Amino acid sequence: SQTIHQWPATLVQPVGSPLSLECTVEGTSNPNLYWYRQAAGRGLQLLFYSVGIGQISSEVPQNLSASRPQDRQFILSSKKLLLSDSGFYLCAWSPLGTPNTEAFFGQGTRLTVV
Amino acid sequence: QKEVEQNSGPLSVPEGAIASLNCTYSDRGSQSFFWYRQYSGKSPELIMFIYSNGDKEDGRFTAQLNKASQYVSLLIRDSQPSDSATYLCAVYTGKLIFGQGTTLQVKP
Repeated sequence: SQTIHQWPATLVQPVGSPLSLECTVEGTSNPNLYWYRQAAGRGLQLLFYSVGIGQISSEVPQNLSASRPQDRQFILSSKKLLLSDSGFYLCAWSPLGTPNTEAFFGQGTRLTVV
Repeated sequence: QKEVEQNSGPLSVPEGAIASLNCTYSDRGSQSFFWYRQYSGKSPELIMFIYSNGDKEDGRFTAQLNKASQYVSLLIRDSQPSDSATYLCAVYTGKLIFGQGTTLQVKP
């Protein structure tokens, strides 16, 4: 069966510090991968999505970046965090080329920038 | 115009009533439509998906899609307090876009 791992679950970082969040998927190949951010009481904002290794689409201009060094690994990074980067970050995967199936979410990372 | 729009609520219904959640989308090329439920502090979980015009029923839940009107809805029959959560509409257009969610409160 397929599983998705996302870590850490919670993170408190000072303004200006770097960030690296990692997400890995097991039990499937060539997944679509997504990074979303959810501000308190708000919906999911799509940050990045990837259809393959090294193929990253950025949805929102920001100081965040994403990379996909391996087929089932998706990394969200920042060189210098801002207070506005606080939020609930969710990684998700869906089977490639099958839009009628759901996206499966990781447990999420709650990031607080102080 | 936002790609996927929902009324943020809260929508309050008494226990046993029908809750009706609505969503509109802007891209006519949208292929599939999803309803997720999210409890506070947790990840979203899928309730239903629909991709053809009409109704799709699963237990107490019914999803309705009208592509001409670019409208998708979720009906929850016999609402229970455990249904209290945020309901997220999502649309697939080559990428999965979410609305801002509607908070549902079911009062005993």
